[in-house]
Amino acid sequence: AQSVTQPDIHITVSEGASLELRCNYSYGATPYLFWYVQSPGQGLQLLLKYFSGDTLVQGIKGFEAEFKRSQSSFNLRKPSVHWSDAAEYFCAVGAGGTSYDKVIFGPGTSLSVIP
Amino acid sequence: DGGITQSPKYLFRKEGQNVTLSCEQNLNHDAMYWYRQDPGQGLRLIYYSQIVNDFQKGDIAEGYSVSREKKESFPLTVTSAQKNPTAFYLCASSRTGRDTQYFGPGTRLTVL
Repeated sequence: AQSVTQPDIHITVSEGASLELRCNYSYGATPYLFWYVQSPGQGLQLLLKYFSGDTLVQGIKGFEAEFKRSQSSFNLRKPSVHWSDAAEYFCAVGAGGTSYDKVIFGPGTSLSVIP
Repeated sequence: DGGITQSPKYLFRKEGQNVTLSCEQNLNHDAMYWYRQDPGQGLRLIYYSQIVNDFQKGDIAEGYSVSREKKESFPLTVTSAQKNPTAFYLCASSRTGRDTQYFGPGTRLTVL
């Protein structure tokens, strides 16, 4: 069955430091891959997505992610974190099923930023 | 502007009452979804619909009901059978079942 794991429940970084959020998936074919961000009390906003082509994907707010097929990973990175990046981050996989296509969300990683 | 609207933003309900949460989209998307989110938790799928007049149960459908009479609307009813309905409810839509999902701002339901 398809699944998504985000090994880090919570991460704390200092403002200006680099950031990497991990995401691993289980799926037999090439999936669609997404990263979303959620501020407290808000809906989810798409940061970036990978469907095909260049495995390094640029997104909004200075984020990027790299699809590594051999590692079944799609880690999110940012070179310099800003205090406003503190939020919940969700990795998601779009997969084709036997009867329907669906998107599976990971459990999320909560990011705190120290000024 | 295209997008998804949810109303109301905050909703209070007495125990034993049914309540309906609204979700409307003008993105011309075929697929729509309802998720529940509890504090510190991820998203749990309640119901989804991939086409008008058709919908399927998600992982936690008990105590909830939906309808999909129009492409742009996917209301969720929280019934009195739902034992712990206090939560944050998110509606989303997408072009196809595995495509980018676009989310509404959410409705926070509190049972008094």
